[in-house]
Amino acid sequence: GDSVTQMEGPVTLSEEAFLTINCTYTATGYPSLFWYVQYPGEGLQLLLKATKADDKGSNKGFEATYRKETTSFHLEKGSVQVSDSAVYFCALSDLGTGGFKTIFGAGTRLFVKA
Amino acid sequence: NAGVMQNPRHLVRRRGQEARLRCSPMKGHSHVYWYRQLPEEGLKFMVYLQKENIIDESGMPKERFSAEFPKEGPSILRIQQVVRGDSAAYFCASSPPGTGSAEQYFGPGTRLTVT
Repeated sequence: GDSVTQMEGPVTLSEEAFLTINCTYTATGYPSLFWYVQYPGEGLQLLLKATKADDKGSNKGFEATYRKETTSFHLEKGSVQVSDSAVYFCALSDLGTGGFKTIFGAGTRLFVKA
Repeated sequence: NAGVMQNPRHLVRRRGQEARLRCSPMKGHSHVYWYRQLPEEGLKFMVYLQKENIIDESGMPKERFSAEFPKEGPSILRIQQVVRGDSAAYFCASSPPGTGSAEQYFGPGTRLTVT
């Protein structure tokens, strides 16, 4: 079945460092790909998405490119801030029985130090 | 446009009691999804519902758990005879009608603690 694998955390960076969180997927269909962010005590917020190969999703300085050849959707940010400290989830959504079903990775916790 | 609403935000139950979690989807959304998040883990799909129909319940435990999304009112996730292992955060998400939208909008979650 479909699955998402993302790098284990926690990831600890200093402010203004470059961030990469790796994500790879397996899917039988042609899924849409997402990154969600979860701040402490809150629900998930959609960070960015891509719906087809070579699409680049971007938001708030974060970017990820849908790479079909490598089945990857790595999250990057050029300069992280303390406020980016959160848990990041890679996810795919594929057409299943009667509608879309979202599969999440295990999450990667990011700590950014001032 | 109000987002997905869940209540209560926090729920404490003793072992053996029933827990009822409510979810009101975004206005105009007719698809509801329930997920469970155990501490330090990702979200696990439980069930996908449309109005008055369960579409996919492949992630629901076979016993004690049930879900509904009636024609009127919120979606309800019911857990009977709760056990300590049911302690988790339960998130609801909704999406617009039709199969063209893969994007889901999440509520703030209900954190269930079983004592």
